[in-house]
Amino acid sequence: QMQLQESGPGLVKPSQTLSLTCTVSGGSMTSGTYYWTWIRQAAGKRLEWIGRIHFAGSTDYNPSLKSRVTISVDTSKKQFSLHLTSVTAADTAVYYCARDYGEGPDYWGQGVRVTVSS
Amino acid sequence: DILMTQSPPSLSASIGDRVTITCRAGHSIGKFLNWFQQKPGKAPQLLIYSVSNLADGVPSRFTGSGSGSGADFTLTISSLQPEDFATYYCQQSYSRPWTFGQGTEVEI
Repeated sequence: QMQLQESGPGLVKPSQTLSLTCTVSGGSMTSGTYYWTWIRQAAGKRLEWIGRIHFAGSTDYNPSLKSRVTISVDTSKKQFSLHLTSVTAADTAVYYCARDYGEGPDYWGQGVRVTVSS
Repeated sequence: DILMTQSPPSLSASIGDRVTITCRAGHSIGKFLNWFQQKPGKAPQLLIYSVSNLADGVPSRFTGSGSGSGADFTLTISSLQPEDFATYYCQQSYSRPWTFGQGTEVEI
């Protein structure tokens, strides 16, 4: 059974970089049809797709975040990562990693709450 | 971005009730529509993909359908069970960025 687990700091200071890692288990990261995705959910708001990466390295980002987002993958460690620069309070949210089967996320991590505050 | 609009935002129902949730896309998205269920404090779980296909392990009381317009979609729970009280989201995968509806909370 595919499982994903987010890890990273729960508190980030404004203007700094938010960095999260997702560790994948129970399946391969290198199957050609899957992407590895980050999604977030701020309190009381709808889910927001941040972006995704294919194991070969190609990426797609949400234009609203593209200037600040980098998603990378390390298949040897079965991990992929999110880096979001110049964070503000508006980036406070629960961050989820997920597998994207090509037309949306199917398996999700449990989520990690990140608060941006000094 | 494609705006996804769900209705109602919330509803109250009883065990055994038939429940219907609708999702409207800003324009036709064909069959590129998924539904998710989220319980408090938990990650969303894929319920239905490509409008009407049940994800693995999803009970048959859940059905998804779409209109001929390719913009209007429905999630139906035929007989509401205690474990179905949750928030439901639609999501389009017609064009990136993927976008989600605002959610429909199903309460007792």
